[in-house]
Amino acid sequence: EPEVTQTPSHQVTQMGQEVILRCVPISNHLYFYWYRQILGQKVEFLVSFYNNEISEKSEIFDDQFSVERPDGSNFTLKIRSTKLEDSAMYFCASSGTAGELFFGEGSRLTVL
Amino acid sequence: SQQGEEDPQALSIQEGENATMNCSYKTSINNLQWYRQNSGRGLVHLILIRSNEREKHSGRLRVTLDTSKKSSSLLITASRAADTASYFCATDPFYGNNRLAFGKGNQVVVIP
Repeated sequence: EPEVTQTPSHQVTQMGQEVILRCVPISNHLYFYWYRQILGQKVEFLVSFYNNEISEKSEIFDDQFSVERPDGSNFTLKIRSTKLEDSAMYFCASSGTAGELFFGEGSRLTVL
Repeated sequence: SQQGEEDPQALSIQEGENATMNCSYKTSINNLQWYRQNSGRGLVHLILIRSNEREKHSGRLRVTLDTSKKSSSLLITASRAADTASYFCATDPFYGNNRLAFGKGNQVVVIP
């Protein structure tokens, strides 16, 4: 069964460092997303991406965040200068046209 | 029940019993989706119900939607130990960009 894969599963970084989280969406999907879940809190929308551009972003997704689809398979989330409050589980998701999202297992980011 | 400002609910039941959980929301929606999350894992899509539907079934799952009350319920019949997880509702807003708004979740424990 096709699945969304994310790497790394866990990353520990120092405050101020750049982090890149990687995702391989399901191959025939056209819509890509990043969500995050701070420990014990709700899953929050960050950004959606379609046709090689951001289609929507939340207030969380400020100038420190960027997304890219560098080739036909990868979808990345970059945090330029990490803050303590960026510590969270980051989920990549993709969808076709049916509306349901397929999520990866997540990348846990710990900022020290 | 789940809602933006309510605390998550916890439900503990015996194997074989039914589990019911509720979700309320505030805005107009295109559809409402339910997801399951096992501890530390990704979100798994369970079922999607559109705004013009009132009830939907999928295996042991039954979802209802009342748009006049802005609420939904998820029923898991004949629960199994493997159903132990957190269950989240997520609303897709009326303009349908798949910017899902998640509830805080219902933690269900099924005792064998």
